[in-house]
Amino acid sequence: DAMVIQNPRYQVTQFGKPVTLSCSQTLNHNVMYWYQQKSSQAPKLLFHYYDKDFNNEADTPDNFQSRRPNTSFCFLDIRSPGLGDAAMYLCATSRDPSTNEKLFFGSGTQLSVL
Amino acid sequence: AQRVTQPEKLLSVFKGAPVELKCNYSYSGSPELFWYVQYSRQRLQLLLRHISRESIKGFTADLNKGETSFHLKKPFAQEEDSAMYYCAATSGTYKYIFGTGTRLKVLA
Repeated sequence: DAMVIQNPRYQVTQFGKPVTLSCSQTLNHNVMYWYQQKSSQAPKLLFHYYDKDFNNEADTPDNFQSRRPNTSFCFLDIRSPGLGDAAMYLCATSRDPSTNEKLFFGSGTQLSVL
Repeated sequence: AQRVTQPEKLLSVFKGAPVELKCNYSYSGSPELFWYVQYSRQRLQLLLRHISRESIKGFTADLNKGETSFHLKKPFAQEEDSAMYYCAATSGTYKYIFGTGTRLKVLA
């Protein structure tokens, strides 16, 4: 089945140790998103790629970076994770946001920072 | 500021009872409204969207522009409806704004 795949499901890192989360899609969608979701909070958009164009949200910390080497893959890099970065990270895709297309989500990566 | 509000964190109803999950929005322009659902151990997925006017799994949602609401309703709740429900809005851009979610528990 075409889908959005996130690896790993659970990730544990140490305070200050760089970590990378990965997302791949077989939907051939133009747009890929990274959301951060903390307990009992709404998913918060960190950034998105429209094809190769990177768009950062104004309030996304510099500690968070992203790469999209090709249409299928997108990575979230956290350069120096702090305790406050422990959260669920959701990857999502959409075909064409200008037509209000729905989002397709991955299963998420639960990040713990020790 | 653009905002989606779900006032209830938790809603418990008995099986067979009517369900209404509330969603209010504050949005410039004419947003498209969605309900997403997350069942236990599953990914977030679309339940329904305003523009399609569908009834999915017995759920419906009516957009009330006067009250800026998009409440989700079902006349008779089933145990399998127990899940986390998120209301979301977008307006032809990349940005989808989500509410904080309502956990629905349907009791036997």
